[in-house]
Amino acid sequence: AQSVTQLGSHVSVSEGALVLLRCNYSSSVPPYLFWYVQYPNQGLQLLLKYTTGATLVKGINGFEAEFKKSETSFHLTKPSAHMSDAAEYFCAVFNLGKLVFGQGTRLTINP
Amino acid sequence: NAGVTQTPKFRVLKTGQSMTLLCAQDMNHEYMYWYRQDPGMGLRLIHYSVGEGTTAKGEVPDGYNVSRLKKQNFLLGLESAAPSQTSVYFCASSWVGLGETQYFGPGTRLLVL
Repeated sequence: AQSVTQLGSHVSVSEGALVLLRCNYSSSVPPYLFWYVQYPNQGLQLLLKYTTGATLVKGINGFEAEFKKSETSFHLTKPSAHMSDAAEYFCAVFNLGKLVFGQGTRLTINP
Repeated sequence: NAGVTQTPKFRVLKTGQSMTLLCAQDMNHEYMYWYRQDPGMGLRLIHYSVGEGTTAKGEVPDGYNVSRLKKQNFLLGLESAAPSQTSVYFCASSWVGLGETQYFGPGTRLLVL
């Protein structure tokens, strides 16, 4: 069965610092990969997704993620954190007809 | 466009009571989903629908029923609520299936006492 692991349930960075949220997955075949963001008291919205093609994917709000097949990873990065990035981030993997979400990482931005 | 809306936003139930959560979407999406979100567990799929009049079980369907009588609406029912069903429930929709971008509603917070 496929699984998704997000390393770190809480990540805290300073405003202007690099944001790195880690996602590793297990899958027997190359999957589709997603990052969703959930702002307080709101539903999830898509940040970016990888299906096929270029392994570096750019999303909204300056975020990007790189699919690394050899490492089974899809880490999310942003060069410079902004206070408005404070939210919960979910990695998700779609494969063989099933979509599995990670447990989420709460990102806190310190002024 | 309103996107995906959910009713109600918050509800408190006593054990054994029943209720229905309503989800509506105005994007003409074929697929609709109900998830529950619990701390530290991400989102888990309860039931989904691939079109009007069709429903299917997801990962955690026990204790829930669904109906999709109209394409734009997807109802989630709890016949006899249990404390274990205390959660935040999200509805989502997509053009095609689970592998496509999903559009989420704002959620319904349910507390079962």
